[in-house]
Amino acid sequence: AQKVTQAQTEISVVEKEDVTLDCVYETRDTTYYLFWYKQPPSGELVFLIRRNSFDEQNEISGRYSWNFQKSTSSFNFTITASQVVDSAVYFCALSEYYGGSQGNLIFGKGTKLSVKP
Amino acid sequence: DGGITQSPKYLFRKEGQNVTLSCEQNLNHDAMYWYRQDPGQGLRLIYYSQIVNDFQKGDIAEGYSVSREKKESFPLTVTSAQKNPTAFYLCATRGQYNSNQPQHFGDGTRLSIL
Repeated sequence: AQKVTQAQTEISVVEKEDVTLDCVYETRDTTYYLFWYKQPPSGELVFLIRRNSFDEQNEISGRYSWNFQKSTSSFNFTITASQVVDSAVYFCALSEYYGGSQGNLIFGKGTKLSVKP
Repeated sequence: DGGITQSPKYLFRKEGQNVTLSCEQNLNHDAMYWYRQDPGQGLRLIYYSQIVNDFQKGDIAEGYSVSREKKESFPLTVTSAQKNPTAFYLCATRGQYNSNQPQHFGDGTRLSIL
């Protein structure tokens, strides 16, 4: 069965600190997608990144970077030089891949990040 | 503006009452989804629709119903059979169900019991 575990329920950092959000997943499939979404206090989910299981290259986008390691079934998210605007709940999600397309999303329980000035 | 519109933002339900949450999109997306979010929990899938006039149960469909009569609209009814309806409800869309595009979400509706 598919499962996504975000062991960190809440993290609090001071502005300009680096912070890493952990995500560990379980799936029996060899082909799947991994996602990160951000949920600010206003409530909507904002898509951040999608990674497929065949692409283990790390990705950097500004202050955000993602480390995908199939060997440990992890897809961790690092924010460098955190800012108050980064305060949000961050969700990791997994979808399997059926017949050439994505299946439904399975979400972790989220990590609430608080960045204090 | 293009996007996903959920209304109302806040909704109150009396005991034994059915209420309907609206989700409208002008993105011309085929697939639409309803999720429920409880405090400290991830999102759980209630129902989804791949195309007009088709929908499928998700993981927690009991006590909910949907319709998909138009491509733009996917309303969710929370029936009196749903004994614990207080939650945050999110609607999402995706271009085509069999595409590899990510899901995009609306702003959500917060439902409470009076």
